[in-house]
Amino acid sequence: DAGVTQSPTHLIKTRGQQVTLRCSPKSGHDTVSWYQQALGQGPQFIFQYYEEEERQRGNFPDRFSGHQFPNYSSELNVNALLLGDSALYLCASSQGLRETQYFGPGTRLLVL
Amino acid sequence: RKEVEQDPGPFNVPEGATVAFNCTYSNSASQSFFWYRQDCRKEPKLLMSVYSSGNEDGRFTAQLNRASQYISLLIRDSKLSDSATYLCVVKGGSGNTGKLIFGQGTTLQVKP
Repeated sequence: DAGVTQSPTHLIKTRGQQVTLRCSPKSGHDTVSWYQQALGQGPQFIFQYYEEEERQRGNFPDRFSGHQFPNYSSELNVNALLLGDSALYLCASSQGLRETQYFGPGTRLLVL
Repeated sequence: RKEVEQDPGPFNVPEGATVAFNCTYSNSASQSFFWYRQDCRKEPKLLMSVYSSGNEDGRFTAQLNRASQYISLLIRDSKLSDSATYLCVVKGGSGNTGKLIFGQGTTLQVKP
């Protein structure tokens, strides 16, 4: 039973570029949430997807957008990258909006 | 004021010691409470849920005080393998479906 998977594991971009991160949820899970974790901080909620719709959003600018596909996988897109976007991006899946969330290994993004 | 506040530590303790972590949360409507563990450069993993009645899992005991909006984690007989960052997490509240709100994390280093 595969857990949550994310790709790529690491990514280096320059300021102003765009990036797409991908997440496949744990088998049987239909809800995907995305978090940003800066160095030395706890994860911060970006948004949550269920039934291919964004259900809740944290305090992140519109440069951060997402999508959920019919197979429940999800993408996180960040436009016009800033140096401050450098972080570990974590995807978590759950069986429903309110159930226990299980995290993937994350994607480390470095913006130069 | 942060929604979930923790002392970042680090807590340096010898093997066999008992150590306690605390956190406070600001939203009195919060409904669910957790401790997650995060090893260096890894994803957070659920350690245990926290209930008002208190709950125990082996050497770990968690407690919730709703009146004081205070959550605690007690680790008895510390092992080297307990060295990690412990994240206090809150979920729920008005208009909040599945968003997890993390504290900054408390770093524990258990020494031989």
